Amino acid sequence: GAGVSQSPSNKVTEKGKDVELRCDPISGHTALYWYRQSLGQGLEFLIYFQGNSAPDKSGLPSDRFSAERTGGSVSTLTIQRTQQEDSAVYLCASRRLADEQFFGPGTRLTVL
Amino acid sequence: GENVEQHPSTLSVQEGDSAVIKCTYSDSASNYFPWYKQELGKRPQLIIDIRSNVGEKKDQRIAVTLNKTAKHFSLHITETQPEDSAVYFCGWGSNYKLTFGKGTLLTVNP
Repeated sequence: GAGVSQSPSNKVTEKGKDVELRCDPISGHTALYWYRQSLGQGLEFLIYFQGNSAPDKSGLPSDRFSAERTGGSVSTLTIQRTQQEDSAVYLCASRRLADEQFFGPGTRLTVL
Repeated sequence: GENVEQHPSTLSVQEGDSAVIKCTYSDSASNYFPWYKQELGKRPQLIIDIRSNVGEKKDQRIAVTLNKTAKHFSLHITETQPEDSAVYFCGWGSNYKLTFGKGTLLTVNP
């Protein structure tokens, strides 16, 4: 079946603008995760969804970052008033029950 | 807070040699330890994982060992090939959440 998909694949924006990143998880996967990957860094956890609820938002760097998930499926990560330090690859992953996390291809965000 | 240390950060080997990457963790509640491989420009993909009730797991040229007492686990790749070149991430988790190491860039020289 189809894997995790993300859009856009690349996003270039100007400092101060808002951006929305989208994740389509694998059908039937109840858990969804957002990570950030900066150059030379690991996979930084941002937020976790179980269904439409987010029991763990502890990784969101600031209140400029928010995420939602609707219908237990698609999720959007919104970054308001983007800063240059927000430039990174944003990865989404989904999981069914206690199985492995499957990652999407990521969105490369560049803030000029 | 939880912490995973992964080393080395870079590793260069000759084709055919073995490669070992090690991770240490601090949270004794963790019970799931995956290893992901990320090729350049690609998404991370699971290559092997181990749960805390098992000490070792092997899949062809890849093996993972877990020492719960010392809180470390290792990835072993034997007979390395150029296509093994990638960044490898260790992770640890319990229940629902994984934390990842900073990654090891493995280069296999032909």
